[in-house]
Amino acid sequence: QQQVKQSPQSLIVQKGGISIINCAYENTAFDYFPWYQQFPGKGPALLIAIRPDVSEKKEGRFTISFNKSAKQFSLHIMDSQPGDSATYFCAASISNFGNEKLTFGTGTRLTIIP
Amino acid sequence: EAQVTQNPRYLITVTGKKLTVTCSQNMNHEYMSWYRQDPGLGLRQIYYSMNVEVTDKGDVPEGYKVSRKEKRNFPLILESPSPNQTSLYFCASSYRGLGTEAFFGQGTRLTVV
Repeated sequence: QQQVKQSPQSLIVQKGGISIINCAYENTAFDYFPWYQQFPGKGPALLIAIRPDVSEKKEGRFTISFNKSAKQFSLHIMDSQPGDSATYFCAASISNFGNEKLTFGTGTRLTIIP
Repeated sequence: EAQVTQNPRYLITVTGKKLTVTCSQNMNHEYMSWYRQDPGLGLRQIYYSMNVEVTDKGDVPEGYKVSRKEKRNFPLILESPSPNQTSLYFCASSYRGLGTEAFFGQGTRLTVV
């Protein structure tokens, strides 16, 4: 049972464009939503995270939008660069579990073309 | 340098031959986890540990064992590996508490033939 659904599976964006990756969750007990970035041959690394008490969080070119009523959240990458080419995973967890119980989406392979 | 170290990075083994993948972290983290990554399935948690001698099953624990005798180490044991355990494995660690960053190792690519 996939508790966090992620789309699209792959995405190609032109340099300078906006990359958008979407995730939807089922468990309303989730209350922490991180995004991880993974380069080939490396482990995932935390990119940005949000709690459901805010609707948006921005860090540089990366923004998380959160819609609690729709149980959806998305990652927006503004002015996408070739160096952003990587696999992105959304995730969710519950307060009393913390990071030892992260539930991940299936991943999105992002390619930024010149 | 703060890091999570897994060994080996690559392993090819035969069905039924016991193996251990080691994981060590130097950040004094309480929490450690093992995940497997498969195409189209993302990362799925195998086991996790909240502290020394405290471990619990994740979402896909069948065929795996873990132990946490020391805070820094969290080995993953496959007593009798099977081909369906061919996968990319990641160890992760973090401080206790919600919202703290999980640090991942470089991964171990296991092939069981």
